[in-house]
Amino acid sequence: NAGVTQTPKFRVLKTGQSMTLLCAQDMNHEYMYWYRQDPGMGLRLIHYSVGEGTTAKGEVPDGYNVSRLKKQNFLLGLESAAPSQTSVYFCASKTGTLYGYTFGSGTRLTVV
Amino acid sequence: GESVGLHLPTLSVQEGDNSIINCAYSNSASDYFIWYKQESGKGPQFIIDIRSNMDKRQGQRVTVLLNKTVKHLSLQIAATQPGDSAVYFCAETGGFKTIFGAGTRLFVKA
Repeated sequence: NAGVTQTPKFRVLKTGQSMTLLCAQDMNHEYMYWYRQDPGMGLRLIHYSVGEGTTAKGEVPDGYNVSRLKKQNFLLGLESAAPSQTSVYFCASKTGTLYGYTFGSGTRLTVV
Repeated sequence: GESVGLHLPTLSVQEGDNSIINCAYSNSASDYFIWYKQESGKGPQFIIDIRSNMDKRQGQRVTVLLNKTVKHLSLQIAATQPGDSAVYFCAETGGFKTIFGAGTRLFVKA
C-alpha cells in the first residue's frame, strides 16, 4: 500500500500564479486534512474533510480552496499565490476521530 | 485558547541513554493524545498514542505517560539510538481536529 501520496514534491510559483496540490490515499480513510508547516512552528490546519463531498475550514484557510470529489482524493488549490504561502504542505488522513494520522511526504512550495 | 506546547525545544542525549520529551496541553476536554516523529525531509510519523482514560502506554522502546491532573504528556525513549534523531511532536485531539505542538528536536550523540 502506498498510504498517502502527495504530488508534486517541489514547486516554485511566481506571485499571482495558481496551482493545485494533489493528495491521494488508498486506505479508505474518511477524514482527510491539509496542513502547512513553517520553520519553528507547528503544523497548522488549512482545511479538512470528514467525508466525500464535504470540506471545512481550519485554522489558516485564507488564500486556499479544497475539494473532495472522491473519497480517496483531497485537492488543495491556491488561486493567486503569495510569498506568505511559501511553506511545506502536508496532507494527512485517518479513519476516525480517535486515531492517529497517516501523513504524506510533503510538498515544498516556494512563491517568489 | 487551546494550545499544546513543549517544555524544551532541543534535547541532546548520549547514544544508549534514555530520552524524555515533555509536553503540556491546556484543553482538559481533549480525549486522545499522540506522539509523532518527523525526520528531516519527511512527513510526521505516528509513534504512539494514549487515550484520556489511561495514564501509561508502552510500545517498542517507547512509553507515553499522561498526567491529566497537571495536563502533562511525556514520551520516554529507552536506549536512544542514532536513528531516533528527529523532531518529536505531541498532539491532542478532540473531535475532528488535532492541535500540534511546535516540536522538540532530539539529537543523539554517538
